[in-house]
Amino acid sequence: KNEVEQSPQNLTAQEGEFITINCSYSVGISALHWLQQHPGGGIVSLFMLSSGKKKHGRLIATINIQEKHSSLHITASHPRDSAVYICAVPLKETSGSRLTFGEGTQLTVNP
Amino acid sequence: DTAVSQTPKYLVTQMGNDKSIKCEQNLGHDTMYWYKQDSKKFLKIMFSYNNKELIINETVPNRFSPKSPDKAHLNLHINSLELGDSAVYFCASSPRRGLAGVFHYEQYFGPGTRLTVT
Repeated sequence: KNEVEQSPQNLTAQEGEFITINCSYSVGISALHWLQQHPGGGIVSLFMLSSGKKKHGRLIATINIQEKHSSLHITASHPRDSAVYICAVPLKETSGSRLTFGEGTQLTVNP
Repeated sequence: DTAVSQTPKYLVTQMGNDKSIKCEQNLGHDTMYWYKQDSKKFLKIMFSYNNKELIINETVPNRFSPKSPDKAHLNLHINSLELGDSAVYFCASSPRRGLAGVFHYEQYFGPGTRLTVT
């Protein structure tokens, strides 16, 4: 079992739909990253959050530290949102932190 | 201006060769990283440097050696390349290590270097 699990693995939506991608992790953490990997391969950081909720344009990220769960929402989805969305968690180890990634969610938004 | 740049973008080489990938950031960040993305698109951290000091060294073969001549550069040298080294390697940087821990700051990724070992 991965320490960081995402669901769903693949998601296909129609333009305009509300999208939710989930991330669960197995150990306590104090921060979580959401990344977007474009079809061309580039990776962009969307959010780094440690509590509550953050919003940027049509993207909203929430985290519940007690439940070890985070969600990424996309409102009014558009074909240009098609990408792989990855959550990453710094898992504490004795030597510091190790950023551990989920396997990613492939999102395809059809026009 | 590119914030985090990597060269080369593509690298095709034969088994047994030695190769380097260079990374530079012009963001004034203190911390830099190397990540490997395998064929299944799974990302794993390899190394992290903070102000030229190695702070994370994951379980990677000794054939991989990072070098940070200054805090704006983090290069990755790979000796005796093997087929399994084929992957996309991403460099990244973040503003500072800070008291909260190295991964509590936003990461800025380079465009990636696709390494193919034949």
